[in-house]
Amino acid sequence: DTEVTQTPKHLVMGMTNKKSLKCEQHMGHRAMYWYKQKAKKPPELMFVYSYEKLSINESVPSRFSPECPNSSLLNLHLHALQPEDSALYLCASSEGLAGGPPDTQYFGPGTRLTVL
Amino acid sequence: GNSVTQMEGPVTLSEEAFLTINCTYTATGYPSLFWYVQYPGEGLQLLLKATKADDKGSNKGFEATYRKETTSFHLEKGSVQVSDSAVYFCAPARRDDKIIFGKGTRLHILP
Repeated sequence: DTEVTQTPKHLVMGMTNKKSLKCEQHMGHRAMYWYKQKAKKPPELMFVYSYEKLSINESVPSRFSPECPNSSLLNLHLHALQPEDSALYLCASSEGLAGGPPDTQYFGPGTRLTVL
Repeated sequence: GNSVTQMEGPVTLSEEAFLTINCTYTATGYPSLFWYVQYPGEGLQLLLKATKADDKGSNKGFEATYRKETTSFHLEKGSVQVSDSAVYFCAPARRDDKIIFGKGTRLHILP
């Protein structure tokens, strides 16, 4: 099973709402990632979790709050977003074993977020 | 700084044409090179990868060779199909697993 699942597929929210994006993988991967992708642009890294600990935060605004409850799950909590935050949010995972060459990242299908 | 340059799209070809998408990167410290593909409305999928100099990655008829001397990882396919229409990202990866994505090349294949 090389699948990364994300829910919901689509989300529309107002600027005062609080919502969460969810990501799950059952490949035993120890590294999980959140990316933001605007239309016709490459994905931009937001956060990396390694062994359930936040290892990289790419200076993301605090209105985005990641959480890794266990090694299979990754959440992204959203609060007080702006219309310019509308994008495709992609989750990915990789083996994340230290010392080896960089791993293949396996991507989910994404959540398309619209902020009104 | 670290950067990836890949040919700007969109690229439009007829079915069965030969495809090359150029990719070059600057900076050292990229042990692995990847090509990812994104089909319409989907997330990214690994297309192929190479983990050392002179390695050739291949998948679904696509090939790319890790050329350390020219810092390039050009993607090629001998005969494209309509189903190959997608966006292709050249993506060197650092030792900390951070991927540096190119801007993407949109490929459109005409039947």
